[in-house]
Amino acid sequence: DVKVTQSSRYLVKRTGEKVFLECVQDMDHENMFWYRQDPGLGLRLIYFSYDVKMKEKGDIPEGYSVSREKKERFSLILESASTNQTSMYLCASSWPGGDGYTFGSGTRLTVV
Amino acid sequence: GENVEQHPSTLSVQEGDSAVIKCTYSDSASNYFPWYKQELGKGPQLIIDIRSNVGEKKDQRIAVTLNKTAKHFSLHITETQPEDSAVYFCAPRHPNAGNMLTFGGGTRLMVKP
Repeated sequence: DVKVTQSSRYLVKRTGEKVFLECVQDMDHENMFWYRQDPGLGLRLIYFSYDVKMKEKGDIPEGYSVSREKKERFSLILESASTNQTSMYLCASSWPGGDGYTFGSGTRLTVV
Repeated sequence: GENVEQHPSTLSVQEGDSAVIKCTYSDSASNYFPWYKQELGKGPQLIIDIRSNVGEKKDQRIAVTLNKTAKHFSLHITETQPEDSAVYFCAPRHPNAGNMLTFGGGTRLMVKP
């Protein structure tokens, strides 16, 4: 069964900490995405990548960066966590030109 | 960019009734129209999709209809069951946006037994 795996289901971090959210897919997909999900706001795109070492800003990139050193792994980095980054973070992957996204189960991050 | 709106934001139905969720999009060039279902504690999962050259598609109890002229598409669930309770997202795709989907705000469907 194809999978997108997010390393943590729940995380609690302190304000100012550097936070790494990891995502790994086993489908050899070129495209990978990071979204955050907040009540009433749907899914908002943070960053995406179409290839190794390639990254593009989404709609809300401020306060985040990403890393894609290997095809299967896409990491989201919060350089200095703040309380307004408390959210559910979802990773997804897809084929180029493909239709469906495969999502991970999400990481619920709380910044205190 | 694409502006996507879903209605209603919440929907409560009795088990066995039908449910309809509507998605309105802004860009007439959009050509692919999927619906995702997100169950509690899980990521969204594709449940049905339709392309711009088709008006309707069915898969057992779920169907999607597309009105390109009016720029909206709808998810129809018949004979609802408690396991249909979830958040549903539409996510139209614009051809000039590569493989990018623009997600609607989501609809929380509650099916009461």
